[in-house]
Amino acid sequence: DTAVSQTPKYLVTQMGNDKSIKCEQNLGHDTMYWYKQDSKKFLKIMFSYNNKELIINETVPNRFSPKSPDKAHLNLHINSLELGDSAVYFCASSPYIGQEPTDTQYFGPGTRLTVL
Amino acid sequence: AQTVTQSQPEMSVQEAETVTLSCTYDTSESDYYLFWYKQPPSRQMILVIRQEAYKQQNATENRFSVNFQKAAKSFSLKISDSQLGDAAMYFCAYRDMDSNYQLIWGAGTKLIIKP
Repeated sequence: DTAVSQTPKYLVTQMGNDKSIKCEQNLGHDTMYWYKQDSKKFLKIMFSYNNKELIINETVPNRFSPKSPDKAHLNLHINSLELGDSAVYFCASSPYIGQEPTDTQYFGPGTRLTVL
Repeated sequence: AQTVTQSQPEMSVQEAETVTLSCTYDTSESDYYLFWYKQPPSRQMILVIRQEAYKQQNATENRFSVNFQKAAKSFSLKISDSQLGDAAMYFCAYRDMDSNYQLIWGAGTKLIIKP
């Protein structure tokens, strides 16, 4: 059983297009995240939702908009794609504090976005 | 602000040997968590081991163990009996109670296993 899944795994698109990446977790976790990993492998958090509420919103362009229809899903929509958006995007989830001694984050397989 | 430093961009080890990956961090907090994640070529981030700062005993998971030195703010990962499947990027990460679930990540160490 896949714990955290993302679709698509690969996304190639032209500059200026709008695209979405979907994420789903079946772990019953309350918190979900989006990370961006650049070409140098540096991981940077973008957003975090807890029970469908935004709790972390790092400095990312407002072309990026997360949407959480329910606590098992956190989708990432990107408008007007730019060359610099090319990266691997990871979704992750973790249980709410108090349910486990530590809030280990479980990552999805990543989505490689290439903007041409 | 908390920072995590992995000073070794790349390490290599002979299969079946032992290798240690280093990680240091900077924080003024006393209660926090530390993690090692592995990212193989498949790209998926996989939790290897975690350590609670209030526990003095070093965490161990099969062939993986840590050397946690709280006073020195050091959290190294030891991999014993290295296997080809251990080849991956290894990331050290830190989280404290006030960071709103945000993990602070190191830059990663690429581990190469020589057959």
